[in-house]
This record gives sequence, C-alpha cells and structure tokens, in this order.
Amino acid sequence: DVKVTQSSRYLVKRTGEKVFLECVQDMDHENMFWYRQDPGLGLRLIYFSYDVKMKEKGDIPEGYSVSREKKERFSLILESASTNQTSMYLCASSLRGISYNEQFFGPGTRLTVL
Amino acid sequence: AQKVTQAQTEISVVEKEDVTLDCVYETRDTTYYLFWYKQPPSGELVFLIRRNSFDEQNEISGRYSWNFQKSTSSFNFTITASQVVDSAVYFCALSEEGTYKYIFGTGTRLKVLA
Repeated sequence: DVKVTQSSRYLVKRTGEKVFLECVQDMDHENMFWYRQDPGLGLRLIYFSYDVKMKEKGDIPEGYSVSREKKERFSLILESASTNQTSMYLCASSLRGISYNEQFFGPGTRLTVL
Repeated sequence: AQKVTQAQTEISVVEKEDVTLDCVYETRDTTYYLFWYKQPPSGELVFLIRRNSFDEQNEISGRYSWNFQKSTSSFNFTITASQVVDSAVYFCALSEEGTYKYIFGTGTRLKVLA
C-alpha cells in the first residue's frame, strides 16, 4: 500500500520558533509538494520539488523554506513561526510527468502557532 | 488564468439521497486534466478520478459518477444513494499540460445524515 507519512498530526509552537515539518514517501516518486489548507481557501501550493536538492516556489512561499536531501524525504521549514502560519499542512508526492499524474497525500499536520 | 470554482460550500443530505457536487473551471489551454479528491475526517486527500480534456465520456464507478462538459467548463460529481461514509470534503482540481501545479477549488463539505 502506497504511503505518504508526515512526522506529526498536531503541533503547537510559539511565535518566533523554528519549525520543521517532515514528509516521507515510500513510492519512489520524483515529485513532492507542500500545501497549506485553510478554510475557504482550499489548498495552496507552498513549494514543489522535482528531484533531490531541486525546488521551486509555489504560490505562497513567503516565510517558508524547504529541503530535499533524499528522494523520499521533503521537509518544510518555518524559519520564525508566526501566528498567521497556523494552518493545516499537507504533503503530497507524484511520479515524474507532472500534470497528468495524480498526487498522493499524507494525513496532514495541524500546526498552531501561539 | 486558471481557476476552479466549487460554489457549494456545504451540502447536507439524508442517507440514500442522490447528491451532485458542482465544479466549474477556467483555463485557456486546450490540453488539461481535471481531478476529484475526497478528504475524509482523517485528513488525507484520496484520489477519486482523473479526466483529460479530450475525453468527455462520462464515467461511472459504483455509486459515483462524473459528468464532464467542455461546453460549460464543468466537471460535476454525483453520488447515488449516499451513505454516511461519504461524509467528507470533496475537492476538484485542474492541471494544465506541462505544469506541475494543481489549481484546487475551495472544496465542498458533504454531510450525509443517517
């Protein structure tokens, strides 16, 4: 059974903390994605990676960075967390081929920044 | 510009009723892909269907059916004889050929009452 796992389901952090969200997939997918989900806004792409050490900004990259040192792992980093980054964060992966292939999602991390 | 509109924010039905979730999209490309995903309370988006722009055949899978009409730029999803387990948030998404980005709608929350 294919799997995308995320390190935490729930996370509470304080303003100004550095936050790491980890995502691991076991499907040998080339593409990995980080989304943010907010009520009434749907899913918005933060960053995309199409290979190890390769990344591209999505629609809302400000305040975030990413790291992909291994094919199966894609990390989202909040350098200095702020309250407006309280949200649900979803990781996804897909085969190379971009537009046609469906994305497989992890269960999400609900982050609260106090 | 790309856009996906799911005008229905929330729908409530009684079990065994049929329900249709609307999806209207905008794109200037002639080649594109449309997707439906289900997000149950567990949080993980589950892929339901993919359609490419050259295939307007309707599709049926068990109690689920999809109606793709290019003339009205719509890709609607019907659940026949709804069940409580269908309760979830449903997302429609668009991807254009040659891009990695999905454009998600804001989602429709379906509540099926016993």
